[in-house]
Amino acid sequence: GENVEQHPSTLSVQEGDSAVIKCTYSDSASNYFPWYKQELGKRPQLIIDIRSNVGEKKDQRIAVTLNKTAKHFSLHITETQPEDSAVYFCAATIQGAQKLVFGQGTRLTINP
Amino acid sequence: ETGVTQSPTHLIKTRGQQVTLRCSSQSGHNTVSWYQQALGQGPQFIFQYYREEENGRGNFPPRFSGLQFPNYSSELNVNALELDDSALYLCASSTRQGNNEKLFFGSGTQLSVL
Repeated sequence: GENVEQHPSTLSVQEGDSAVIKCTYSDSASNYFPWYKQELGKRPQLIIDIRSNVGEKKDQRIAVTLNKTAKHFSLHITETQPEDSAVYFCAATIQGAQKLVFGQGTRLTINP
Repeated sequence: ETGVTQSPTHLIKTRGQQVTLRCSSQSGHNTVSWYQQALGQGPQFIFQYYREEENGRGNFPPRFSGLQFPNYSSELNVNALELDDSALYLCASSTRQGNNEKLFFGSGTQLSVL
């Protein structure tokens, strides 16, 4: 079955710097890759997603890149702000499948 | 547009008991999925309900069961609770229109089994 590995498990960056979180997936049939942000005690919120027919997608300070050949995808956050502090989860699924397979999460801390 | 709501928010049970968790899907969504999130881990898929039937199941034993009602709300039932069942249980709703896999999560039910 599908397996998603996420690195690093914790990441600390200075406010204003960039943060990068990386994920690899095992099932080459996977074609939908969302990223979720979960603040302490709150629900996971979808922040950006990408499909396998696209190599990069950007939304303001957040971007996701996908390398299908290497089976990995990354989240890039530029100009980080204190409110970006949270746990970030990547996930993968096959379009039309019933489930998302999540990575283990990355705890991002933005230092003022 | 209303979001996904779950109840209760917190629950404490003892080993061997049974529990029922509830979820109301987001307006316009007809599919409900349940996930278990252990402390410090990513959510793990339990099962999904569509048109009141189970439509995909993860690696969870039969004592985890569910229901979906005509209004698309859903219940997760867990029998014979074990200590390892302590976790945050997340409900997510989505729509099967087109190929929309976007999941919208509720705030979860924090279950503690003592």
